[in-house]
Amino acid sequence: DTGVSQNPRHKITKRGQNVTFRCDPISEHNRLYWYRQTLGQGPEFLTYFQNEAQLEKSRLLSDRFSAERPKGSFSTLEIQRTEQGDSAMYLCASSRNRGYTFGSGTRLTVV
Amino acid sequence: KNEVEQSPQNLTAQEGEFITINCSYSVGISALHWLQQHPGGGIVSLFMLSSGKKKHGRLIATINIQEKHSSLHITASHPRDSAVYICAAHNNDMRFGAGTRLTVKP
Repeated sequence: DTGVSQNPRHKITKRGQNVTFRCDPISEHNRLYWYRQTLGQGPEFLTYFQNEAQLEKSRLLSDRFSAERPKGSFSTLEIQRTEQGDSAMYLCASSRNRGYTFGSGTRLTVV
Repeated sequence: KNEVEQSPQNLTAQEGEFITINCSYSVGISALHWLQQHPGGGIVSLFMLSSGKKKHGRLIATINIQEKHSSLHITASHPRDSAVYICAAHNNDMRFGAGTRLTVKP
C-alpha cells in the first residue's frame, strides 16, 4: 500500500450531469477526509469519516454533494446536477492519529 | 478573518537565499502541518509540529504555541523548491491557509 489513491485524476463533465469520485486510503488509516481546492486558494474542508461514520460535514457541502464510506475503507464523493462553480480539485486524505497523507486529487471541470 | 493566515502570499527569491514563510492561526490545534504543493496538485506533508522546532535537510519549521505562530524556513534555496507552501491547523480536521507561492530563480 503505497499511499492514498484517487480516481479519476481528471473529469470533464457537462453542467447538470452527476459525477462520482473515489478515494482509496492507506489501509490502516481510520480517518478519511475530503477537501476542495479552487485555483489560487488553500484546500477547504468538506467532510470526514472515522471508519464508516461521517462525523462532520462543512456547510460548503450542499445537498447536491454526498459522501459515503460504506465499509470503512474506500470512500466516494458524488456531486449531483453539477454546476460550473463545482469546478475544482477534490482532494482526499487519510490519517491515523495525526499523521496525514494526501491523494493526488481529482480535477473536475464542469463545462 | 481566516482561521489560518499565511504571509507572504507570493515570494520570489534568488537561488541560495534564505526564505521564511509565516503562519498565524486562531483555532485550537493538536498539530500544525506544513505542506508542499506542486503545480500538478499533489500535496506532500513536510512537517507536523506540536511544539518547538523540526529540521529536515534544508527545511526548518518552528512553532510558538503561546503566540499561535509557526514559520517555515528554507536555507540555501534552489529552483526545485519552487512550489506552493501551505500551513494547516489540525484538530479534528484541517484548516488550511491560502498558501504561499514560492518561486526560486537560478
